[in-house]
Amino acid sequence: NAGVTQTPKFRVLKTGQSMTLLCAQDMNHEYMYWYRQDPGMGLRLIHYSVGEGTTAKGEVPDGYNVSRLKKQNFLLGLESAAPSQTSVYFCASRTRPGTGSYEQYFGPGTRLTVT
Amino acid sequence: DQQVKQNSPSLSVQEGRISILNCDYTNSMFDYFLWYKKYPAEGPTFLISISSIKDKNEDGRFTVFLNKSAKHLSLHIVPSQPGDSAVYFCAASGNFGNEKLTFGTGTRLTIIP
Repeated sequence: NAGVTQTPKFRVLKTGQSMTLLCAQDMNHEYMYWYRQDPGMGLRLIHYSVGEGTTAKGEVPDGYNVSRLKKQNFLLGLESAAPSQTSVYFCASRTRPGTGSYEQYFGPGTRLTVT
Repeated sequence: DQQVKQNSPSLSVQEGRISILNCDYTNSMFDYFLWYKKYPAEGPTFLISISSIKDKNEDGRFTVFLNKSAKHLSLHIVPSQPGDSAVYFCAASGNFGNEKLTFGTGTRLTIIP
């Protein structure tokens, strides 16, 4: 099993450009998450999904959109990138509540720089 | 409003000694707590967790203690090894682990050989 994979690993954007980050998991997990990590801020939840076709806002959703068209994939989009979106982005997944497993499995991260 | 706080950004410990990482929380609805370990250029990996119905959970060299009245938890690593050098994140959840995670800001642990 590859676990959780993220594409791309690195990206540099100019202000105003758009891009999509792809997250894929092969563990058949229902729940998927997008976080950003900034120095001194820990991991903050951007958006999450509890199943195919459903998404919800997290703590810092502004400037981002997401889609979950397939169970195994969760896409994070930046429509018009801003320097404040320079960060490391992590995707995570977990089984649905009630299964007895509470941990989230994380991907390796995408380092995004917006100039 | 930081609901989960790790007040020590960094900690250095001699190899073989005990490492103690601390975490405080303010939301009384949190009832499940997890520790994650993160190496540079990698994603966080789950280390150990504890439910509020317990005050201690042990897994090998790692023990997590929970003091509900003080809203405080700590991670003990004994003995500390060079491979333990990493950033450690505390995370909290409600509904016994079934809610979203709220993460602390992390503590960078350095084990000195």
